[in-house]
Amino acid sequence: QVQLQESGPGLVKPSETLSLTCTVSGGSISGYFWSWVRQPPGKGLEWIAYTYYSGGTNYNRSLKSRVTLSLDTSNNQFSLRLSSVTAADTAVYFCARIISGGAAFDIWGQGTLVTVSS
Amino acid sequence: QSALTQPPSASGSPGQSVTISCTGTSSDVGTYNFVSWYQQHPGKAPKLMIYEVSKRPSGVPDRFSGSKSVNTASLTVSGLQADDEADYYCTSHAGTDNWVVFGGGTKLTVL
Repeated sequence: QVQLQESGPGLVKPSETLSLTCTVSGGSISGYFWSWVRQPPGKGLEWIAYTYYSGGTNYNRSLKSRVTLSLDTSNNQFSLRLSSVTAADTAVYFCARIISGGAAFDIWGQGTLVTVSS
Repeated sequence: QSALTQPPSASGSPGQSVTISCTGTSSDVGTYNFVSWYQQHPGKAPKLMIYEVSKRPSGVPDRFSGSKSVNTASLTVSGLQADDEADYYCTSHAGTDNWVVFGGGTKLTVL
């Protein structure tokens, strides 16, 4: 079955750029929308952005100016870059697949904690 | 402050039913039939329990059901079991400009 795995640094300095990659295994990245969701410690979930396998994207308007998504279809991966981070960006970052035809996340990665601190 | 409003907590005894509400506006829940619910155990990733208001993914027990009335969606868990104790989050499509919004989450306790 399809599995997702996030990877990237667990510690990022303030004002720098957070970079994470999600690797899709057990299936193809083609034909689906892929997304990032985050959860600050002890708080709720927040949608960050999504990308389509062919390259279209959509971003949470509150983060749009700082977020970039990219795809690497040859390696079945998609990536998140969040610039100018602050302590408020400390969170568990999840990658997720969007269900066909709907606005829901049917497969999730395990999540990776990114701490913003000097 | 979350875009969708959920009660912070809910509880029920084993075997009982509990309903969790998710209140939005005419810009999200009230317009779109793209409400979904997620179960999250501590330290784990969320799990999709309901999508498109009332559809269950394969493998989700029929003890979990969803509904919607005007601007409020609801998740009902019947025949409560100990493993149902978790945080539950609702989401709704909110248009192209802000694609999906989340509720603040409800902690369900099985007494």
